[in-house]
Amino acid sequence: GQQVMQIPQYQHVQEGEDFTTYCNSSTTLSNIQWYKQRPGGHPVFLIQLVKSGEVKKQKRLTFQFGEAKKNSSLHITATQTTDVGTYFCAGGTMDSNYQLIWGAGTKLIIKP
Amino acid sequence: DSGVTQTPKHLITATGQRVTLRCSPRSGDLSVYWYQQSLDQGLQFLIQYYNGEERAKGNILERFSAQQFPDLHSELNLSSLELGDSALYFCASSATGTGPNKYFGPGTRLTVT
Repeated sequence: GQQVMQIPQYQHVQEGEDFTTYCNSSTTLSNIQWYKQRPGGHPVFLIQLVKSGEVKKQKRLTFQFGEAKKNSSLHITATQTTDVGTYFCAGGTMDSNYQLIWGAGTKLIIKP
Repeated sequence: DSGVTQTPKHLITATGQRVTLRCSPRSGDLSVYWYQQSLDQGLQFLIQYYNGEERAKGNILERFSAQQFPDLHSELNLSSLELGDSALYFCASSATGTGPNKYFGPGTRLTVT
């Protein structure tokens, strides 16, 4: 079946360092979405990318959608303690029965 | 506050029992999605309803069922509960049946003992 692989599973960074998580789909996607879940919280929608090669920025966060619409990345510049949480990607399928295929998430941990 | 409400917040029950989780979507949203999240795991999509009709099905066990009522609230029924069913159950809503699950509820934490 369709899968979205997300790596890494965990990333430990020092505050101020950059963070990147990657998603790769087994099939072409119609769109990709990114969500953040703080510890003990619920997922919060961050952004949706639709176009091939699209790049969007939200302050220190940069989101990219690959040219083939099969991969995506989220990059955070100069991490802060408020960035701690798990980042999920979710790909929208292209078939008639639209579904979201979720990545397993990348947990961002700030080293003390 | 996302505008999506879920009740109860916590639920503790014994193996073999049956429980019902409730979700009220944001005002005006027609689509409801149910997810299961086991401890420190990803989100497992269970099922989606749109305006009262089942729209998509994920890895939902036969012991689980759901429905969406005319007032658009939804209920997830879990029966013959097992220890492995202990998890956070999230509901999300969206205006249409496609696109982002923009609004998640706070979740119901189910503990099966």
